Amino acid sequence: EAGVAQSPRYKIIEKRQSVAFWCNPISGHATLYWYQQILGQGPKLLIQFQNNGVVDDSQLPKDRFSAERLKGVDSTLKIQPAKLEDSAVYLCASSLDRRSGEQYFGPGTRLTVT
Amino acid sequence: AQKITQTQPGMFVQEKEAVTLDCTYDTSDQSYGLFWYKQPSSGEMIFLIYQGSYDEQNATEGRYSLNFQKARKSANLVISASQLGDSAMYFCAMREGGNTGKLIFGQGTTLQVKP
Repeated sequence: EAGVAQSPRYKIIEKRQSVAFWCNPISGHATLYWYQQILGQGPKLLIQFQNNGVVDDSQLPKDRFSAERLKGVDSTLKIQPAKLEDSAVYLCASSLDRRSGEQYFGPGTRLTVT
Repeated sequence: AQKITQTQPGMFVQEKEAVTLDCTYDTSDQSYGLFWYKQPSSGEMIFLIYQGSYDEQNATEGRYSLNFQKARKSANLVISASQLGDSAMYFCAMREGGNTGKLIFGQGTTLQVKP
């Protein structure tokens, strides 16, 4: 079974530029999560989708971050404009059901904002 | 509010010995789940073990076991017979009992296994 796929793996941009990350969850997984992991900290949930609907985006900085999951499969996370403090690893995870079972994580995208 | 605390920023263990990584949690939910993940330097989060709040037996998965003490709100990870490949960051996480099921992570513990 293929795991969670993410691209790109690494991205370096200047502040005020925009960037987009892509995630393809495990086939059949209805729930998709985007986490932000700042160096030295645990991951923090940014947004959670159930199929193509948003379940939780309370921690998403909506003035600059946006995410979508068209057709309930792939998802993209966008930052526009980027700030220095957005430098982090962005992890995508998926699970069969949001109330049970483990979340499977992708390899992450390491973003550096200069 | 739900919170996970990992008080050991870094740990060392000799190869082939056992090591315990501490995790305490705070929640007012009756139903919740506790997870441990391993994050090697490559960055991917690898699921290790899960304990449900109503599970009476401590969870075990191969060399990993979870020492679940509900009254003390602790969920320590025990790794037996440490291997060099166990060197990584380890995160304790809690799934809320509510509608979202999102995970709340601790700060992590860096484990280094010495040959």
